[in-house]
Amino acid sequence: AQSVAQPEDQVNVAEGNPLTVKCTYSVSGNPYLFWYVQYPNRGLQFLLKYITGDNLVKGSYGFEAEFNKSQTSFHLKKPSALVSDSALYFCARLLMNTGFQKLVFGTGTRLLVSP
Amino acid sequence: SQTIHQWPATLVQPVGSPLSLECTVEGTSNPNLYWYRQAAGRGLQLLFYSVGIGQISSEVPQNLSASRPQDRQFILSSKKLLLSDSGFYLCAWSEGVSTDTQYFGPGTRLTVL
Repeated sequence: AQSVAQPEDQVNVAEGNPLTVKCTYSVSGNPYLFWYVQYPNRGLQFLLKYITGDNLVKGSYGFEAEFNKSQTSFHLKKPSALVSDSALYFCARLLMNTGFQKLVFGTGTRLLVSP
Repeated sequence: SQTIHQWPATLVQPVGSPLSLECTVEGTSNPNLYWYRQAAGRGLQLLFYSVGIGQISSEVPQNLSASRPQDRQFILSSKKLLLSDSGFYLCAWSEGVSTDTQYFGPGTRLTVL
């Protein structure tokens, strides 16, 4: 079963405008949710995570994400996009097995920020 | 601070040849270690994970194997590569228990011809 879904294959935003990259999760237990960013031919960089507590999570590079239980969403946001934010963004959910934790990733959303 | 290394960065290998990719972590002890494969620039698939030396678990049956000969060293191997083994291989580590973040290495681009 899909644990997280990223409904948008690509998001286009003009520089300076706010950006949102969407992620929804399947309802099953307590969701531990993560956002990662990947630049071309690079590994994934951790941006932020939600474990518990405040629904608004602030992360690296000015990104933030809001955990919304009623909508089962964890959308990534930034008030003002930069061209350098153009990259591939992954939402992920941590699944807890006995003695082990496993990250299940969404299919990724490509963000293109135009000058 | 902790750092994770992978090598080689890129590799081109003929079908049927062996494979050895290495991952090492510095600045931590007894980490959980992971191997992922990313195909077609998108989806990540967990291949193997390890919670300690000599302890390897496989997520999916495949042509690959993994070993952890030392606490902070994780090796991905194959005796005979297939075309379908091409992809971007990522190693990751986490502190271990509970809800710790996984941190990824720079990756190895493998092309099997």
